[in-house]
Amino acid sequence: DIQMTQSPSTLSASVGDRVIITCRASQSIGSWLAWYQQKPGKAPKLLIYKASSLESGVSSRFSGSGSGTEFTLTISSLQPDDFATYYCQQYNSYPWTFGQGTKVEIK
Amino acid sequence: EVQLVESGGGLVQPGGSLRLSCAASGFTVSSNYMSWVRQAPGKGLEWVSVIYSGGSTYYADSVQGRFTISRDNSKNTLYLQMNSLRAEDTAVYYCARAPYSGARWKDVWGQGTTVTVSS
Repeated sequence: DIQMTQSPSTLSASVGDRVIITCRASQSIGSWLAWYQQKPGKAPKLLIYKASSLESGVSSRFSGSGSGTEFTLTISSLQPDDFATYYCQQYNSYPWTFGQGTKVEIK
Repeated sequence: EVQLVESGGGLVQPGGSLRLSCAASGFTVSSNYMSWVRQAPGKGLEWVSVIYSGGSTYYADSVQGRFTISRDNSKNTLYLQMNSLRAEDTAVYYCARAPYSGARWKDVWGQGTTVTVSS
């Protein structure tokens, strides 16, 4: 199985900060990666697909990059609504696997 | 409006069975890849299963042989039949769709249904 490792697990930041979350795959997954945002008690929300494509309706302050085994999710200027947990997921091969999540907290 | 509504969760004893349903509206489940994803209490997301528009199915190792994904095109509904349930299957179960056949990311999610496996 492909292991997905996110870092950091928790991130404390302030409104307006630039935030970068990293996701590493245990083997190459090409660009078959998605990023999701989840708030407590809610379903995940798709942010980015195919590593760098922004989902329709998602703020342009979110961006994704990377390919192969190294990927990043960047929030250019953190807003109050962005405090949440973020997950990467590979869909290159079965079983599709998620990272363990990165919780973005208020500093 | 595109929407997914799960139902069927509840409390079940270890070794028991449960069938989850996911009613779709605004699109046709048979035209999209449809998945189940679960989240144990306080834990991260775990992909469970997918059914392709052509009918092929895939499962996580943890549920292989115990869970079955299916759909009823006439009811536009996705199902997850869960047998031989274990305590570690306790989770919120979400159904989700891929935006088109061939896509694998999930753009629409249901609100989730809770499954508790306990004696």
